[in-house]
Amino acid sequence: AQSVTQLGSHVSVSEGALVLLRCNYSSSVPPYLFWYVQYPNQGLQLLLKYTTGATLVKGINGFEAEFKKSETSFHLTKPSAHMSDAAEYFCAVTHSGGYQKVTFGIGTKLQVIP
Amino acid sequence: DVKVTQSSRYLVKRTGEKVFLECVQDMDHENMFWYRQDPGLGLRLIYFSYDVKMKEKGDIPEGYSVSREKKERFSLILESASTNQTSMYLCASSPSQGARYTGELFFGEGSRLTVL
Repeated sequence: AQSVTQLGSHVSVSEGALVLLRCNYSSSVPPYLFWYVQYPNQGLQLLLKYTTGATLVKGINGFEAEFKKSETSFHLTKPSAHMSDAAEYFCAVTHSGGYQKVTFGIGTKLQVIP
Repeated sequence: DVKVTQSSRYLVKRTGEKVFLECVQDMDHENMFWYRQDPGLGLRLIYFSYDVKMKEKGDIPEGYSVSREKKERFSLILESASTNQTSMYLCASSPSQGARYTGELFFGEGSRLTVL
């Protein structure tokens, strides 16, 4: 069984401030972890992913996330928020076996204040 | 550019109508998925298919059925639409296990269905 918990359904930051979106996961096997972004009235697109190897992964638009097995976390960060970062962000988990069922968190809406 | 295309971006239907949502991918992916997205609930898996004519129930299959007659096409069917099926529906695809597999899903732009 696998699950994802995103802490904070809404997060507000000032333009130029640090963005931190939290994600904790549960998985009985080694996980593959993802962050997706969704802009209004669009589908989801991949920001970054962790499968194996380096635990700090970099994605598009200056985002990065660190896989911490001991904390079962995969938090998303960006040093300096930009207005264009306003969107909804989803953390997701799957693994390498079976039919690759992907489980998503409930999403975090990021508001960037000028 | 790889693509997942959902045939209708916006639909308005009446209670009891039969609704078809179509999804086509051009990446030769084996797996295809239908998710439903609602505020505060995230994405919930309705059905998925790992091969032509194969289907598996997801977390919320009640009131829905699917069809996969060709590898590139996966249809979601609402036999008798109800108001509680008003939602955003997202189609996704992914390659199966093997060299191409990374777990990443490729999404369409979504179909927003309103049932009156």
